[in-house]
Amino acid sequence: DQQVKQNSPSLSVQEGRISILNCDYTNSMFDYFLWYKKYPAEGPTFLISISSIKDKNEDGRFTVFLNKSAKHLSLHIVPSQPGDSAVYFCAASSAGGTSYGKLTFGQGTILTVHP
Amino acid sequence: DAGVTQSPTHLIKTRGQQVTLRCSPKSGHDTVSWYQQALGQGPQFIFQYYEEEERQRGNFPDRFSGHQFPNYSSELNVNALLLGDSALYLCASSFGVGNTEAFFGQGTRLTVV
Repeated sequence: DQQVKQNSPSLSVQEGRISILNCDYTNSMFDYFLWYKKYPAEGPTFLISISSIKDKNEDGRFTVFLNKSAKHLSLHIVPSQPGDSAVYFCAASSAGGTSYGKLTFGQGTILTVHP
Repeated sequence: DAGVTQSPTHLIKTRGQQVTLRCSPKSGHDTVSWYQQALGQGPQFIFQYYEEEERQRGNFPDRFSGHQFPNYSSELNVNALLLGDSALYLCASSFGVGNTEAFFGQGTRLTVV
């Protein structure tokens, strides 16, 4: 039962353009969402998060949008840079219930930014 | 300030053997979680330790066990290794059980042959 899904295994964009990574979830108990970036041979690095009481959170070039009714979130990177090339994971958790204190990850999307 | 450190970085074991992986949390963190990441998949939650007790457990068999020490460091033990246990094992630390903005180590790559 895949509760968090990233349906695009890969995404390729040109430097300077926008990258949009998508994530869908099925568990309505999830109320906190995170994006992690992972380079080869390194552990995931926290990028940005959003609580379910918000629909948008920005941090520099990174913006996360949350659509609770559609159970969908997206990460926008503007402008994209070659150093952003990595695997991006969407993750979710809840403040209570069986998902408390643990992260449920999607399968990841490989982002390649071409110079 | 050292981040999350894991040892060893790579390990090769034979089917049926037992393995112990180690993790030191980031300074100031008291909670350690373990994840298994199979090739091409996202990390899957194994279990979480806080105050030297297992607080949450994912859908993993009892062959997977752990321990947390008074200095907050942690071990993951896997008994009776199967070929399917080959994966990257990630340790994540945070402050407090409910804080999911976890910091990850670089992982231990386990290969079972």
